[in-house]
Amino acid sequence: KQEVTQIPAALSVPEGENLVLNCSFTDSAIYNLQWFRQDPGKGLTSLLLIQSSQREQTSGRLNASLDKSSGRSTLYIAASQPGDSATYLCAVMNSGGYQKVTFGTGTKLQVIP
Amino acid sequence: AAGVIQSPRHLIKEKRETATLKCYPIPRHDTVYWYQQGPGQDPQFLISFYEKMQSDKGSIPDRFSAQQFSDYHSELNMSSLELGDSALYFCASSGRSTGRNEQFFGPGTRLTVL
Repeated sequence: KQEVTQIPAALSVPEGENLVLNCSFTDSAIYNLQWFRQDPGKGLTSLLLIQSSQREQTSGRLNASLDKSSGRSTLYIAASQPGDSATYLCAVMNSGGYQKVTFGTGTKLQVIP
Repeated sequence: AAGVIQSPRHLIKEKRETATLKCYPIPRHDTVYWYQQGPGQDPQFLISFYEKMQSDKGSIPDRFSAQQFSDYHSELNMSSLELGDSALYFCASSGRSTGRNEQFFGPGTRLTVL
């Protein structure tokens, strides 16, 4: 059974800092890994999708990496802004019957002006 | 760009009642997923459909059922509602045939069971 863990659970940083969010998964037989952000009481917004054959993806100030063999992904946010404050979730889609998705526990980020 | 549509956005029901949640995927997406997110929890996968056939099943209670119709919209039917069913229910869609299977989420339906 796939288990996905995110560290830290919460993070508070001053505006302008670069930061790294971590996602670990136990079963490396994955189809893809997706990073989302969620604002309180709102839906999930897709940030980046990494296919199992890829090592990283970039979008603007965001960079996500994937190391399947070690069961890890990181989300790097450069020059953080108060508008980045949200909960960040990683979601792993398994490759066998590969539509089953397991979400991580989330990292709640607060960027202080 | 068109997004995933869910209706209703809010629903209040009494215990033991039934509820039907609807999901309209992004045009040309062939796969629909349903998730339940309790307060302060991460989304839990319930069930998915590919080309109108159930493709995978997660932690969906027997009191719940779902289907995908010929126009690809999906409905989640919930019977004998319990207080613990109060949650945000998300639908997501993806284009599995594209090979990317990137999920796009709807805004969710907030179900409150009194």
